[in-house]
Amino acid sequence: KAGVTQTPRYLIKTRGQQVTLSCSPISGHRSVSWYQQTPGQGLQFLFEYFSETQRNKGNFPGRFSGRQFSNSRSEMNVSTLELGDSALYLCASRGAGAYEQYFGPGTRLTVT
Amino acid sequence: EDQVTQSPEALRLQEGESSSLNCSYTVSGLRGLFWYRQDPGKGPEFLFTLYSAGEEKEKERLKATLTKKESFLHITAPKPEDSATYLCAVQGSGANSKLTFGKGITLSVRP
Repeated sequence: KAGVTQTPRYLIKTRGQQVTLSCSPISGHRSVSWYQQTPGQGLQFLFEYFSETQRNKGNFPGRFSGRQFSNSRSEMNVSTLELGDSALYLCASRGAGAYEQYFGPGTRLTVT
Repeated sequence: EDQVTQSPEALRLQEGESSSLNCSYTVSGLRGLFWYRQDPGKGPEFLFTLYSAGEEKEKERLKATLTKKESFLHITAPKPEDSATYLCAVQGSGANSKLTFGKGITLSVRP
């Protein structure tokens, strides 16, 4: 079974720009969560989607948004990028009735 | 709010020198405690789920245990390829509960 895939793997953007990251979950998984990982804060939860509905949201500003499509693929968008948004963005999927999440390789975003 | 504290922050071992990594947690009704391994530049790799105090799980040189306040990841006779960051996370039973991660423990195993 193919794992979670994320595209692109690396991005360099300028302050003020916006960015869209993509995630394809493991086949059959309908829950997708997004996390931001930085050296100082560790892994922080952004949001979770299930069947195209946002089910849970972390403590991030409204510049961070996401959506999920009918095929369970998910995108997250960050608008008006700030230097502090530089991080590894991780996507994870979960199967029905299970609690463990399986992570993709991440997208490394650098804001200059 | 759920909290996870991992210690020590970093651990250096000689190959073959067994040790334990600690994860202390506070959570409103534990649904699960999870251990992940993360290599530099990669996403976390799932290792174990523990659901209730007294539960133990093993995989090769790793053994995870759980009490009502802590979990330990015991590493027996580690090898250099066990070098990685080990992350602990909890999920509570509250409405809309999410995974809360600790900061991780960076393990280095010298040959």
